[in-house]
Amino acid sequence: DQQVKQNSPSLSVQEGRISILNCDYTNSMFDYFLWYKKYPAEGPTFLISISSIKDKNEDGRFTVFLNKSAKHLSLHIVPSQPGDSAVYFCAGGFQKLVFGTGTRLLVSP
Amino acid sequence: GAGVSQSPSNKVTEKGKDVELRCDPISGHTALYWYRQSLGQGLEFLIYFQGNSAPDKSGLPSDRFSAERTGGSVSTLTIQRTQQEDSAVYLCASSPTQGLGETQYFGPGTRLLVL
Repeated sequence: DQQVKQNSPSLSVQEGRISILNCDYTNSMFDYFLWYKKYPAEGPTFLISISSIKDKNEDGRFTVFLNKSAKHLSLHIVPSQPGDSAVYFCAGGFQKLVFGTGTRLLVSP
Repeated sequence: GAGVSQSPSNKVTEKGKDVELRCDPISGHTALYWYRQSLGQGLEFLIYFQGNSAPDKSGLPSDRFSAERTGGSVSTLTIQRTQQEDSAVYLCASSPTQGLGETQYFGPGTRLLVL
């Protein structure tokens, strides 16, 4: 039972354009959602979060949108930079974090 | 400052042997989490500690897996009689408390390969 799904295993974007990473969830009990970024051979690092009572949270180039009725969230990165190339995990939290399988983003110069 | 550290960084073992994985959380963090990531999978929750106690062990895949935490600091994840399906990256994370929305800080992981 995958409570958090990231259906796109990979995404390629040109530098300067927008990257949109999508995440769907099934557990309506999640209180908050987070995005983590992971480089090879490193642990995931926290990127941005959103409470379930909000529909948008912005931090610099990163914006997370939450659509509770659709049980969908997305991460927008604009403008994308080559250093953003990494695997991005979304996670839903209730009593513990449940992670998706990740989307590998490649930003080409 | 010092982040979460894990040792060893890589471990190769033979099927049937026991392994111990160590996690040193960020100093002062009361909550500690263990996850694993198998090839092509997301991060799978294993267990979390609040202080030295483990309120949630629901993610441990079998009774071959156990974990302990001493002094509210270092934690050890032990896998007995390892199987090939135990091969994965084992990640440890800590957070200041176990509050809702609390950011978890991850270590670099231990890559375990069971031959």
